[in-house]
Amino acid sequence: AQSVTQLGSHVSVSEGALVLLRCNYSSSVPPYLFWYVQYPNQGLQLLLKYTTGATLVKGINGFEAEFKKSETSFHLTKPSAHMSDAAEYFCAVSETTGNQFYFGTGTSLTVIP
Amino acid sequence: SAVISQKPSRDICQRGTSLTIQCQVDSQVTMMFWYRQQPGQSLTLIATANQGSEATYESGFVIDKFPISRPNLTFSTLTVSNMSPEDSSIYLCSVLSGFGGEAFFGQGTRLTVV
Repeated sequence: AQSVTQLGSHVSVSEGALVLLRCNYSSSVPPYLFWYVQYPNQGLQLLLKYTTGATLVKGINGFEAEFKKSETSFHLTKPSAHMSDAAEYFCAVSETTGNQFYFGTGTSLTVIP
Repeated sequence: SAVISQKPSRDICQRGTSLTIQCQVDSQVTMMFWYRQQPGQSLTLIATANQGSEATYESGFVIDKFPISRPNLTFSTLTVSNMSPEDSSIYLCSVLSGFGGEAFFGQGTRLTVV
């Protein structure tokens, strides 16, 4: 089974600063990779995904993530944080041979005015 | 994409009672997934529901506690039975857009057991 590690359960950044949320997965075979955002009292919304092709993927709301096979990582970044980015972020992987998703423990992002 | 309607959105229940959560998808899907998200934690898969067969439960979850129905390709229910305060969580249903595709989620049901 896969495991997904998100370093830092809580991250605080100033408004306008770089956002970096870390995600590492455990797999010898690159899986499909996803980032989801969860706003308070809401379900999960897809930010971006990587399946094949270009390793730098762009998502909604100015977020992007880079798949690095050698580091088994899929870190999420945004150049300039906005107050509306405050939310819970989940990294997830799904195996290319199956349908099950594996979620990280989540990172709560706080944006300081 | 898929639009998932889940209800109720929240409920407060007495211990010992049961709550049934409904999940309606706007398209036909083979598999539907039920997750639990305990306070401050990540999502844990409870079971996978296929139409026409019994649900497949993950380790730590049993059918007597979380019976699931899947009467057709667009609908599923999850019942949380004989509830205790430890069952207080957000319950989410989910479907996949296709093989290798992203998962879509309902808005979740926030359950509080008192």
